[in-house]
Amino acid sequence: GAVVSQHPSWVICKSGTSVKIECRSLDFQATTMFWYRQFPKQSLMLMATSNEGSKATYEQGVEKDKFLINHASLTLSTLTVTSAHPEDSSFYICSENMGTEAFFGQGTRLTVV
Amino acid sequence: GQQVMQIPQYQHVQEGEDFTTYCNSSTTLSNIQWYKQRPGGHPVFLIQLVKSGEVKKQKRLTFQFGEAKKNSSLHITATQTTDVGTYFCAGMFSGGYNKLIFGAGTRLAVHP
Repeated sequence: GAVVSQHPSWVICKSGTSVKIECRSLDFQATTMFWYRQFPKQSLMLMATSNEGSKATYEQGVEKDKFLINHASLTLSTLTVTSAHPEDSSFYICSENMGTEAFFGQGTRLTVV
Repeated sequence: GQQVMQIPQYQHVQEGEDFTTYCNSSTTLSNIQWYKQRPGGHPVFLIQLVKSGEVKKQKRLTFQFGEAKKNSSLHITATQTTDVGTYFCAGMFSGGYNKLIFGAGTRLAVHP
């Protein structure tokens, strides 16, 4: 299967600062990556679909100006949480599809203090 | 919008008992997938069902896809403590970028 490397695995930041999360496809060229957010004991909520070379497609209710997604190459997609607030604290996880099967990064636990 | 409902939210069983979780979609799915997530970990792919009425087995796990391709179930026979975790179904809807919509998940606790 595909290998997706997500970094960092955890981050603590101050309120008002921005945090960048990276997802790298190590053995597969992913034209599309998916970004999810998972609150404790809840399901994965799809935030946006990241498309290489074009603008990301955001799900309803997700602020595109707050969650900046860049997919500049076939192997790297980034999610930047801008002006983070404590309510943004969550587990963020990316995935890519090989065919229709999804392969997930390790996830990033973000804590905003 | 596209939604996948999953029940129950929690299930506590004694080791050796069976366990079933159910998923239902409001619209027809192109396929449904099942994932398992251990505490602190990321979801791990278990299986994908594509055909109407499909049934697949993995050792003690049995997966079913409904005839209308709107519902699915995962059944574990004779649970073991290693089965502990949260089981998610995820529906893939036709069109777009093959995005997955996850059910709420069923957290399974197995008591020895």
